[in-house]
Amino acid sequence: DQQVKQNSPSLSVQEGRISILNCDYTNSMFDYFLWYKKYPAEGPTFLISISSIKDKNEDGRFTVFLNKSAKHLSLHIVPSQPGDSAVYFCAASADTSGSRLTFGEGTQLTVNP
Amino acid sequence: EAGVAQSPRYKIIEKRQSVAFWCNPISGHATLYWYQQILGQGPKLLIQFQNNGVVDDSQLPKDRFSAERLKGVDSTLKIQPAKLEDSAVYLCASSLATDYGYTFGSGTRLTVV
Repeated sequence: DQQVKQNSPSLSVQEGRISILNCDYTNSMFDYFLWYKKYPAEGPTFLISISSIKDKNEDGRFTVFLNKSAKHLSLHIVPSQPGDSAVYFCAASADTSGSRLTFGEGTQLTVNP
Repeated sequence: EAGVAQSPRYKIIEKRQSVAFWCNPISGHATLYWYQQILGQGPKLLIQFQNNGVVDDSQLPKDRFSAERLKGVDSTLKIQPAKLEDSAVYLCASSLATDYGYTFGSGTRLTVV
């Protein structure tokens, strides 16, 4: 039972353009959502998060949008840079402490110069 | 601050052999997690410790996997006997409490042949 799904295994964008990574979830108990970025041979690093009481959270070039009714969230990166090329994981938690994260399968983002 | 240290980085073993992985979390981090990431999938939680006590091991295959965190600092994860399907990257993470911003180590890539 895949409770967090990232339906696009890969995404390719041009430098300077917007990257939009999508994530869907099925468990209505999830109330805290996170995005992690992973480079090859490294562990995932925390990028940005959003609580279910919000619909948007912004941090520099990164913005996460949450649509609770659709059980959908997205990560926008504007402008995209070649250094953003990595695997992006969406994760969700059923409590605000963030423990026991359920991860999606990941989306490989490639930003072309 | 030093990151989460894991060793070894790589391990190749034959099926039915045993293997152990080691993790040294960030100093002062009370919570420690072990995740399993199979190729093409997102990380899956195996076990969570709070200091030296187990908080959640519901997804740990206890017939072959064991983990301990002596003195609430370092942790070891053991597999005995290993199966082919145990081939994965084993990620250790730590956080100050049960907080969202956990820090992952670089992982141990296990190949079972």
